[in-house]
Amino acid sequence: KNEVEQSPQNLTAQEGEFITINCSYSVGISALHWLQQHPGGGIVSLFMLSSGKKKHGRLIATINIQEKHSSLHITASHPRDSAVYICAVGGNTGNQFYFGTGTSLTVIP
Amino acid sequence: DSGVTQTPKHLITATGQRVTLRCSPRSGDLSVYWYQQSLDQGLQFLIHYYNGEERAKGNILERFSAQQFPDLHSELNLSSLELGDSALYFCASSNQILGYNEQFFGPGTRLTVL
Repeated sequence: KNEVEQSPQNLTAQEGEFITINCSYSVGISALHWLQQHPGGGIVSLFMLSSGKKKHGRLIATINIQEKHSSLHITASHPRDSAVYICAVGGNTGNQFYFGTGTSLTVIP
Repeated sequence: DSGVTQTPKHLITATGQRVTLRCSPRSGDLSVYWYQQSLDQGLQFLIHYYNGEERAKGNILERFSAQQFPDLHSELNLSSLELGDSALYFCASSNQILGYNEQFFGPGTRLTVL
């Protein structure tokens, strides 16, 4: 049983398209994290949120605590956005982390 | 550059051996987290240290152990290595004790067990 489910697993988009990646979780959480992992393997934290919505440049993350669901949106996608996007949740004890399996995004010029 | 360093970058060893992975957190961060990323299991949380004390354990095998030293660097020790231990091992640091704060990831150590 996976505590965190992501969809889709793979996504191919044309440059400029609006992209949405979804994350659903089944545990009580203190916060939800969106991570980006580039082909080289490095991981960057994009967002950490516990309610509402956050925006950073072309990236928007939302969370609905009641529905236990979060979305990551990328507006005006660009080939450099090609990466694996991973949803992770911190359990509400603060000391456990659960990861989704990731969404592999490819943006074609 | 996240400010978190990990050494070595790559490690190739044989089954049955023991290795030590090292992590230096960002300046001022007291929390260090260790994660394992394998092809079949994805990212998994292993263990969390805060200011030298173990705070939480995840899916860490008994053959694995970790510690955080007074200078806040951390080491992950993997012993009696098996082929299935081949993975990327990441550490991350944050400036808080609990998990709802942003974490900064190191570049990872790629372990290959032959």
